[in-house]
Amino acid sequence: GAVVSQHPSWVICKSGTSVKIECRSLDFQATTMFWYRQFPKQSLMLMATSNEGSKATYEQGVEKDKFLINHASLTLSTLTVTSAHPEDSSFYICSAPGLAGVSPDEQFFGPGTRLTVL
Amino acid sequence: AQRVTQPEKLLSVFKGAPVELKCNYSYSGSPELFWYVQYSRQRLQLLLRHISRESIKGFTADLNKGETSFHLKKPFAQEEDSAMYYCALSMDNNDMRFGAGTRLTVKP
Repeated sequence: GAVVSQHPSWVICKSGTSVKIECRSLDFQATTMFWYRQFPKQSLMLMATSNEGSKATYEQGVEKDKFLINHASLTLSTLTVTSAHPEDSSFYICSAPGLAGVSPDEQFFGPGTRLTVL
Repeated sequence: AQRVTQPEKLLSVFKGAPVELKCNYSYSGSPELFWYVQYSRQRLQLLLRHISRESIKGFTADLNKGETSFHLKKPFAQEEDSAMYYCALSMDNNDMRFGAGTRLTVKP
């Protein structure tokens, strides 16, 4: 089946620095990717929808200037946490939908990235 | 290694029939299990989580630590239940692992 990778799998950074997380579809093209965040002991929260060739669509309450999303190609979306603070520490996971006409409703999840901001 | 297995990629039942979507996990710590649902062209939604022991839209799921399972059940399936269902495991460090998903089709 389709595979989505994330890099890095974990990162520790100092407060005030920026961190970039990559989400790649390894064997299929994804014009759309989704970025989620999981708070401890809570369910996933959709942060934004990344669209290749256009601006990302952010969910209400998510700061677009803080969480920069760039869908650079049909296989890569990046999430940059700018000026990270300890409260940004979380587990970030991306997903990509399946091929249109084949399995458009199927989501392929990345393994996630654990961000710890000191 | 931590793993979530949904053995059925596709599941088809008739309206009114019972439905069970299987989920097995592999984790040595204290698991927290979730079921997420994605209806066609909609975002992923939390359906239920084991610690709340709620019944949402008629669905229930019981965590069986002995069998390491968290199967999702509904006694009488409805057409509007047709969707993709994902089982997810949250680990002690709050990292998550998702199953590959099961596409449920409820036929009239």
